[in-house]
Amino acid sequence: DTEVTQTPKHLVMGMTNKKSLKCEQHMGHRAMYWYKQKAKKPPELMFVYSYEKLSINESVPSRFSPECPNSSLLNLHLHALQPEDSALYLCASSQEVQAGYGYTFGSGTRLTVV
Amino acid sequence: AQTVTQSQPEMSVQEAETVTLSCTYDTSESDYYLFWYKQPPSRQMILVIRQEAYKQQNATENRFSVNFQKAAKSFSLKISDSQLGDAAMYFCAYRSAFYNQGGKLIFGQGTELSVKP
Repeated sequence: DTEVTQTPKHLVMGMTNKKSLKCEQHMGHRAMYWYKQKAKKPPELMFVYSYEKLSINESVPSRFSPECPNSSLLNLHLHALQPEDSALYLCASSQEVQAGYGYTFGSGTRLTVV
Repeated sequence: AQTVTQSQPEMSVQEAETVTLSCTYDTSESDYYLFWYKQPPSRQMILVIRQEAYKQQNATENRFSVNFQKAAKSFSLKISDSQLGDAAMYFCAYRSAFYNQGGKLIFGQGTELSVKP
């Protein structure tokens, strides 16, 4: 299995809702990442998990809450989002944070906040 | 801090022709990795090619090759025999080899490549 699987593919949520994005990989990768991408812009790093521990939080607002329950799974919990949070949310994994291999990306969750 | 610059927001190429996408970067580190990623409208980021900074030999993957000029901090991507399926947004990216950088990928602004039949 050489894939990163993200669910759901599309999500529409109200500003008072609570929802979660899910990311799963079975490649034995020990580093996992959340990126946010606006249309025609590069991805922006949100969080890095290394060996299931949060190692980088790029000053992301607390309405985004990451969780890494095990080495294969990464969640992003969403609460009280704003319309400007509408974006493509990409999950990625790599063997380790310091390894020189590229990331494997999922196909993303297209989030719309109404 | 490291930065990556792609100065061509859009490029166009005729099918079967060759096109070169430009990328420059700025870093004070000596050990790092450079990547080109492709993002088609299907939106999944796909790794096209990877270069290790301490290797002088330019990386090649089938129709894709790079021109890596370490002293000039330049990392261009050449696509030969362009195909319709090559149409996508291309991102140049930098990754430090040092653990304390957290494996962060730093992306350029992207170049949107269109391929004309």
